[in-house]
Amino acid sequence: AQSVSQHNHHVILSEAASLELGCNYSYGGTVNLFWYVQYPGQHLQLLLKYFSGDPLVKGIKGFEAEFIKSKFSFNLRKPSVQWSDTAEYFCAALTSGTYKYIFGTGTRLKVLA
Amino acid sequence: GAGVSQSPSNKVTEKGKDVELRCDPISGHTALYWYRQSLGQGLEFLIYFQGNSAPDKSGLPSDRFSAERTGGSVSTLTIQRTQQEDSAVYLCASSIYPGAYEQYFGPGTRLTVT
Repeated sequence: AQSVSQHNHHVILSEAASLELGCNYSYGGTVNLFWYVQYPGQHLQLLLKYFSGDPLVKGIKGFEAEFIKSKFSFNLRKPSVQWSDTAEYFCAALTSGTYKYIFGTGTRLKVLA
Repeated sequence: GAGVSQSPSNKVTEKGKDVELRCDPISGHTALYWYRQSLGQGLEFLIYFQGNSAPDKSGLPSDRFSAERTGGSVSTLTIQRTQQEDSAVYLCASSIYPGAYEQYFGPGTRLTVT
């Protein structure tokens, strides 16, 4: 079955540290990939998405993600986190020909000021 | 309104009772999705609508769950004979079209079955 794995469930960083959150998907065909973020008390919102083309995707607030097809990965990165990045981050995949999003279990990031 | 709205925001119900959860998508969005988020779990896809039809109902956990959408707008998720394992946050999202378009999420309905 198709699945999305986020191996880091909780991450704690100090401000200015670099961030990388892992995301792996299991599907051999064409896939669209997304990262969503949920800030405390707010709705889920889109950070960035990959459809095709350049595997390095830039999103809002300085986030980026790299699609590595050979590793079935779509890791989220930010060179220098801020306290305001404290949130829960969800990776999601949409396989070609379906409208059924598969979400990972999420990673809770806490950034210490 | 500008975003997706859901009501009620919180619902506490007794085991065995029926509940209805409502979603108002962004005006003009043809696609509407329902998800369930249980403690420690990711977002579990339940159902999506394209207009008023639901081509994919495969995510509904049991026949106690049903959903409808009328007028291409408001959607209602109904859970009959609620069980404690139904306790979760139910999220609704809409997008301009189904497929690889950004989904806009509502605030969710937190359902607690006692």
